[in-house]
Amino acid sequence: GENVEQHPSTLSVQEGDSAVIKCTYSDSASNYFPWYKQELGKRPQLIIDIRSNVGEKKDQRIAVTLNKTAKHFSLHITETQPEDSAVYFCAASKSGGGSNYKLTFGKGTLLTVNP
Amino acid sequence: DTGVSQDPRHKITKRGQNVTFRCDPISEHNRLYWYRQTLGQGPEFLTYFQNEAQLEKSRLLSDRFSAERPKGSFSTLEIQRTEQGDSAMYLCASSSSIYRDKNTGELFFGEGSRLTVL
Repeated sequence: GENVEQHPSTLSVQEGDSAVIKCTYSDSASNYFPWYKQELGKRPQLIIDIRSNVGEKKDQRIAVTLNKTAKHFSLHITETQPEDSAVYFCAASKSGGGSNYKLTFGKGTLLTVNP
Repeated sequence: DTGVSQDPRHKITKRGQNVTFRCDPISEHNRLYWYRQTLGQGPEFLTYFQNEAQLEKSRLLSDRFSAERPKGSFSTLEIQRTEQGDSAMYLCASSSSIYRDKNTGELFFGEGSRLTVL
């Protein structure tokens, strides 16, 4: 089955700096890669996702890049703010063709943005 | 619709007791998932329903676990003869397989049901 590795496990940055979280996946058939943000005691919430037919996607201060050949994808947060502090999870799944969108998650990155 | 709701939010039980969790997905979503999350880990897939059919179960789902979605709407997850290792957050998520408007197949998660087995 799919295996997703995520690094680093913790990341501390100063407000205004950039943060980068990296993930690798094992199943070359995976084609959907979402990122979820989970605040303490809250539900995971989708912040951005990318499909394998796209190499990069941006949404304001958040961007995701995908390298299918190397089977890795990254989350980039620019101009970090204290409210960005949370645990971030990458995930991978196969979509389309009757697949079930079952997500395999990484172990998470605790991002702390210091004011 | 206010999103995916789960009940109860917290459950403390003694080892050996049975517990049941309920999930009400977003009303128009035909897909429903159960995940388990332990401290410091990402959510782990347990099982998946499309409408009322349970189409996939993880090896993590031992014989003591059973899930149902009898009418293709709400779902229940029952754990029999609970063990301390069952202590975790049980997350439910739903999504739609019908692509229209901006629907991307995104999974929407509930707030979870936290189980503590003493």
